[in-house]
Amino acid sequence: ETGVTQTPRHLVMGMTNKKSLKCEQHLGHNAMYWYKQSAKKPLELMFVYNFKEQTENNSVPSRFSPECPNSSHLFLHLHTLQPEDSALYLCASSQAPQGAFNNSPLHFGNGTRLTVT
Amino acid sequence: EDQVTQSPEALRLQEGESSSLNCSYTVSGLRGLFWYRQDPGKGPEFLFTLYSAGEEKEKERLKATLTKKESFLHITAPKPEDSATYLCAVQVLITPMDTGRRALTFGSGTRLQVQP
Repeated sequence: ETGVTQTPRHLVMGMTNKKSLKCEQHLGHNAMYWYKQSAKKPLELMFVYNFKEQTENNSVPSRFSPECPNSSHLFLHLHTLQPEDSALYLCASSQAPQGAFNNSPLHFGNGTRLTVT
Repeated sequence: EDQVTQSPEALRLQEGESSSLNCSYTVSGLRGLFWYRQDPGKGPEFLFTLYSAGEEKEKERLKATLTKKESFLHITAPKPEDSATYLCAVQVLITPMDTGRRALTFGSGTRLQVQP
């Protein structure tokens, strides 16, 4: 098993659909993240969970709804998305949350390529 | 506001032609600087962490260096398999007074293509 696994790899959805992205980490890490990656832009932090508790919501629209049932699993529920939400959605984990004394790097999954039609 | 700027945006090299990628930053309270490699269709893969000015890290054909204002990723005698996008990210220590400040700020990346 790779360290961070994301499913599905590709997703095409209409603006009225409801879908979910799934992330699972097998590294024993305590912090998990959702990032959005658009072409030629820096990675954009969406949500942070530390020990299953959401510690950061980076002003993300409510059509994106995260869920973290335990320290190994993270979901991103999607509904009524817009075409501009099309992007690569990356899940990441780290031993300790960013900004803590432990400079632990992020470990990323391979992302879900989302296309909203 | 913390800023991270990578240059060039894209770089094309011939196999064996050494070069450097730049990551310049303006932050206060640097905790660490990370370099990642990202292949098309994949997530970023961690390469190095640098903690203080003067520090260097090496891995195969890659060497990362850090000053107080920037980091360089030197690629010596690159091969086609080194083709990827290279991302840098700067980490700062967040205090309760840092309202709205991100602990980790990414650059936009340098897209490297090495031709045989």
